[in-house]
Amino acid sequence: EAQVTQNPRYLITVTGKKLTVTCSQNMNHEYMSWYRQDPGLGLRQIYYSMNVEVTDKGDVPEGYKVSRKEKRNFPLILESPSPNQTSLYFCASSSSWTNTEAFFGQGTRLTVV
Amino acid sequence: DAKTTQPTSMDCAEGRAANLPCNHSTISGNEYVYWYRQIHSQGPQYIIHGLKNNETNEMASLIITEDRKSSTLILPHATLRDTAVYYCIVRAQGAQKLVFGQGTRLTINP
Repeated sequence: EAQVTQNPRYLITVTGKKLTVTCSQNMNHEYMSWYRQDPGLGLRQIYYSMNVEVTDKGDVPEGYKVSRKEKRNFPLILESPSPNQTSLYFCASSSSWTNTEAFFGQGTRLTVV
Repeated sequence: DAKTTQPTSMDCAEGRAANLPCNHSTISGNEYVYWYRQIHSQGPQYIIHGLKNNETNEMASLIITEDRKSSTLILPHATLRDTAVYYCIVRAQGAQKLVFGQGTRLTINP
């Protein structure tokens, strides 16, 4: 089954403790991206990757890092999480970024205390 | 990308057709209309997209006006599982991201 898998689904952590949210897709998609969703602000893009070893900032990249060492994986790294990064995070992938459908993961609900 | 305007919320009876409108009066010639939905904080789900012709798939139909300034997503026989937030998105070919607005919260009532 074609899918985007995020882990963990839920995470509560403390300020400053480094964490990684993993994202993996099994569709051999070139394009992957990360979004965060906050009440009243909708979904906002954090980072995206056009292909392996190619990443770029989205609209809200501060406080986040990403890597794309292999096509299927696109982890989101929070080196020093802060409470304002408490949010619902989604990973997405698509075969390319020219009018094809995007597949989203089920989301990771992160709470930073 | 062009801005879209959708009603904040709508209700529809189960089994009836749900018609969700979207205005995109500033759409340009190379911009497509996409519809996604999000069921209760799950990941957004692609529904359909089109450029200027009407489109239909197993989930829905998309009707785009001739001037392309507005469109309507039609769920032909709504079920309770269609209760979700529906997002109308306008995106140019080659644009690297989807810009989600606030969407329409559709409630299907028994």
